[in-house]
Amino acid sequence: NAGVTQTPKFQVLKTGQSMTLQCAQDMNHNSMYWYRQDPGMGLRLIYYSASEGTTDKGEVPNGYNVSRLNKREFSLRLESAAPSQTSVYFCASNRSFGNQPQHFGDGTRLSIL
Amino acid sequence: RKEVEQDPGPFNVPEGATVAFNCTYSNSASQSFFWYRQDCRKEPKLLMSVYSSGNEDGRFTAQLNRASQYISLLIRDSKLSDSATYLCVELSGGSYIPTFGRGTSLIVHP
Repeated sequence: NAGVTQTPKFQVLKTGQSMTLQCAQDMNHNSMYWYRQDPGMGLRLIYYSASEGTTDKGEVPNGYNVSRLNKREFSLRLESAAPSQTSVYFCASNRSFGNQPQHFGDGTRLSIL
Repeated sequence: RKEVEQDPGPFNVPEGATVAFNCTYSNSASQSFFWYRQDCRKEPKLLMSVYSSGNEDGRFTAQLNRASQYISLLIRDSKLSDSATYLCVELSGGSYIPTFGRGTSLIVHP
């Protein structure tokens, strides 16, 4: 039972490069989320997808785009990476009906030089 | 703007101690609450849900005080392995967006 799977686990980019972080869940969850976590800042929501076919901005969406490819997959794209985007990125999902907690992937550690 | 506030700590306690954390929330319409545990920048893992009647799971007890708008987590007989950051989370009914606190750091020493 894999739960939420993120790839890659680690990545180093140069400023201006682009990349896509992948996330897939096998729990038949409707809602999926992307967070970033920086020291002292807690989890900050980048984008979320309440259900297949919908995406919405969270607290810190600038510099990112997302795609809800299907019910299982939700990707996060950095079009032109900046050093300020160096962070740990977590994908999460939940069933979405009212009182359901989120389940997290084990994160992508991204460094931008 | 909804807020969830936690004392960042660290709470530094000896093995075997009892320790309690509180978490205050600002949204009176909040309906669901959770405690997560996070180890050293690994992913947050669900520790327990918080029900109106309270919730106990082994050494861990979670309680909700709606009148004062806070939730608490009590850890009895602390183990070294309990050392982690504990995040509280609130979720309004029908909302897709949980609000996370920044976490409370617990260090259990021998």
